[in-house]
Amino acid sequence: NAGVTQTPKFQVLKTGQSMTLQCAQDMNHEYMSWYRQDPGMGLRLIHYSVGAGITDQGEVPNGYNVSRSTTEDFPLRLLSAAPSQTSVYFCASRATGGEKLFFGSGTQLSVL
Amino acid sequence: SQKIEQNSEALNIQEGKTATLTCNYTNYSPAYLQWYRQDPGRGPVFLLLIRENEKEKRKERLKVTFDTTLKQSLFHITASQPADSATYLCALPPDTGFQKLVFGTGTRLLVSP
Repeated sequence: NAGVTQTPKFQVLKTGQSMTLQCAQDMNHEYMSWYRQDPGMGLRLIHYSVGAGITDQGEVPNGYNVSRSTTEDFPLRLLSAAPSQTSVYFCASRATGGEKLFFGSGTQLSVL
Repeated sequence: SQKIEQNSEALNIQEGKTATLTCNYTNYSPAYLQWYRQDPGRGPVFLLLIRENEKEKRKERLKVTFDTTLKQSLFHITASQPADSATYLCALPPDTGFQKLVFGTGTRLLVSP
């Protein structure tokens, strides 16, 4: 099993550009989530999904969109990138009834 | 909302000693608490979970305690090794629902030979 796979690993955007961060898991986990990690702020939840077709907002959802059309994939879309979105983004999944999160290796995003 | 405090200063210890990391939380008492390890450039990796009715949990050289009166968890690594050097994060579920796990900022541990 590959676990949770995130692409790309690194990305540089200009202000106003849009892009999609990809996340896929092969563990048949119903729950998937996106966190951002900033120095001194810890991991903050952006959006999460408890199954295909169901998404909800986390602590810092503004400027991000998600959708969940399949169990395996949970892409995160930046509609119009801003320098404040410079961060490291982590995707995580969890089995139904489980409590521990499985994280991907992260995407380091810089918005200039 | 839940607030989690972990020592932001790095903890430096010598190989072979016991490392003790602290996680303090405010407000409500969570049903459980988790500890994760994060290496530079990598995602967090789950280590241990302790429930509110458990005072202590062990896994190999790791030990976690949970004091709901003090609102504190202690994470111990005995016989520490340089390979234990990493950032350690504690995480709690929110007071309502279990979908939004909240993380502390983490404490960096440096074990020198």
